[in-house]
Amino acid sequence: DTGVSQDPRHKITKRGQNVTFRCDPISEHNRLYWYRQTLGQGPEFLTYFQNEAQLEKSRLLSDRFSAERPKGSFSTLEIQRTEQGDSAMYLCASSPRPTSLSETQYFGPGTRLLVL
Amino acid sequence: AQTVTQSQPEMSVQEAETVTLSCTYDTSESDYYLFWYKQPPSRQMILVIRQEAYKQQNATENRFSVNFQKAAKSFSLKISDSQLGDAAMYFCAYPSNFGNEKLTFGTGTRLTIIP
Repeated sequence: DTGVSQDPRHKITKRGQNVTFRCDPISEHNRLYWYRQTLGQGPEFLTYFQNEAQLEKSRLLSDRFSAERPKGSFSTLEIQRTEQGDSAMYLCASSPRPTSLSETQYFGPGTRLLVL
Repeated sequence: AQTVTQSQPEMSVQEAETVTLSCTYDTSESDYYLFWYKQPPSRQMILVIRQEAYKQQNATENRFSVNFQKAAKSFSLKISDSQLGDAAMYFCAYPSNFGNEKLTFGTGTRLTIIP
């Protein structure tokens, strides 16, 4: 399977705990995105990497959130001191280096987080 | 800020019939792409079709086509010969920055196929 993969697929945690999610993009895709999707809503942009550089962060990404892509391949998203409002689906997407105005983003299956 | 509006939270269509999902957007750019994504229940989001704004011709992918009206900033998706496998959430999306960073999504339309 050469698609975008995410791990874990589901995570249940207690309020105040830290959680970390992993995303493996499609091989050779140099761009990687994180989105958050709450029930009944479309995905909302969180952050974006080009290779290992984090180029943009949304205001949604509070100080409790941190994302890394240390070698320009897989990425991790960590949430510290989780709150019930963090419960959502966390989606990862990747896209190749643009050769036109815009390239398609390919999405992973997501990690569904439930904070009790 | 760019916005994407999908005014139909839910739609239903008889199997084999045609349905149109609407989307409007707001942008000050002249050249851009627009996307329709499909998210089946408990499955990952996949691209259905994309439209280049500077192209006059509406995009078509098999049973899926768009009606793109640039002046009206309207980008509707038409699904012909609806099939049970088309049941999903459909999201219209616009890349907020030049170069495909941060897609802005609409709130989605849940499409139900009636056998």
